[in-house]
Amino acid sequence: DIQMTQSPSSLSASVGDRVTITCRPSQTINSFLHWYQQIPGKAPKLLIWRASRLQSGVPSRFSGSGSGTEFTLTITSLQPEDFATYFCQQTYNTPFTFGPGTKVD
Amino acid sequence: EVQLLESGGGLVQPGGSLRLSCAASGFLFGSCAMNWVRQAPGKGLEWVAIINGRGQTTYYADSVQGRFTISRDNSKNTLYLQLNSLSAEDTAVYYCAKSDMGLYGDPIDFWGQGTLVAVSS
Repeated sequence: DIQMTQSPSSLSASVGDRVTITCRPSQTINSFLHWYQQIPGKAPKLLIWRASRLQSGVPSRFSGSGSGTEFTLTITSLQPEDFATYFCQQTYNTPFTFGPGTKVD
Repeated sequence: EVQLLESGGGLVQPGGSLRLSCAASGFLFGSCAMNWVRQAPGKGLEWVAIINGRGQTTYYADSVQGRFTISRDNSKNTLYLQLNSLSAEDTAVYYCAKSDMGLYGDPIDFWGQGTLVAVSS
């Protein structure tokens, strides 16, 4: 199985900050890496798909990059509604594992 | 508008069974792979299973293989998850989740609101 790690596990930030989260799969997954945002009590929401493609309706302050075994999610100017937990997921091979999450507070 | 409405969750005793359903609307159901993803209280997301659009191909997480069965009825636009031999470790919110298209490479582009399964005596 492909193991996913995320760093940091949590971070403290302020409105307007630039935030970067890293996801590292245990083996290469091409670009089959996706990012989700989850606000407490809500279902997750797709932000970035296939490493760098912005999902329709997602603000452009979110961006993704990377390939192979290192990927990053960047929020260029953190907004109040962005305080949430962020998960990466690989769909290169089953089981389609998620990272453990990064809480931004 | 895409809608996924889960039902069937509840309290069940260890060793018991439950069947979850997910009623889908707003998209071409039979053209999309569908997933179940769960989240234990206060924990992260755990992918559980996926089924292709025609219902011919399924994959499972190691933790549920042999105990859970994913299926679909495209005539009813409904996804199912049969949960057997339940233990406390299966306590979680279970999300029905739509893949963008196929089995591999695509993200989950829409999630239901989830149904809670609690396993306790």
